[in-house]
Amino acid sequence: GENVGLHLPTLSVQEGDNSIINCAYSNSASDYFIWYKQESGKGPQFIIDIRSNMDKRQGQRVTVLLNKTVKHLSLQIAATQPGDSAVYFCAENKSGGYQKVTFGTGTKLQVIP
Amino acid sequence: KAGVTQTPRYLIKTRGQQVTLSCSPISGHRSVSWYQQTPGQGLQFLFEYFSETQRNKGNFPGRFSGRQFSNSRSEMNVSTLELGDSALYLCASSLVGALKNEQFFGPGTRLTVL
Repeated sequence: GENVGLHLPTLSVQEGDNSIINCAYSNSASDYFIWYKQESGKGPQFIIDIRSNMDKRQGQRVTVLLNKTVKHLSLQIAATQPGDSAVYFCAENKSGGYQKVTFGTGTKLQVIP
Repeated sequence: KAGVTQTPRYLIKTRGQQVTLSCSPISGHRSVSWYQQTPGQGLQFLFEYFSETQRNKGNFPGRFSGRQFSNSRSEMNVSTLELGDSALYLCASSLVGALKNEQFFGPGTRLTVL
């Protein structure tokens, strides 16, 4: 079946540096991708999304890149802060109806002060 | 606007019992999805309800069921609990639009089966 996976289970970065979290997906029919952040004791929180007709989207300090050729998704966090420490999930979905979001296993981001 | 709320936040049950979890979506949201989160399996989709109808279902046994009420509030039921059902159960609501399916998650219900 389809699966969404992450290359790095744990990522440690120095405060102020940029972070890059990667994700691979296998369902070529997916056309909507989301990044979530989950802090300890809380539910996932939407960070940024991107549709398959785009290859880059920027938010506040975050950028998502989509490479459909190799089915790869990445999340870039600029000037990483201690508050960015969390588990990050990528997820894929097909828009237009069913909400069957498939999540990756997650990457833990540790920010070193 | 209030976020997604889930009750109870914590629950302890024993094997063989059944449990009902509740989710209140964001006002105006008609789609409610349920997920199970465990350290070993990550986030797994259980099912999604829209306008009181189950629209999609994940790969979970029939012991897992749900329903949605006319006010979009949803309940999830697990019967004959097993130790492996211990997990964080998350509910997410969304506006179902043509272009954007952003989901908003609740804080979850932590279920422990002894």
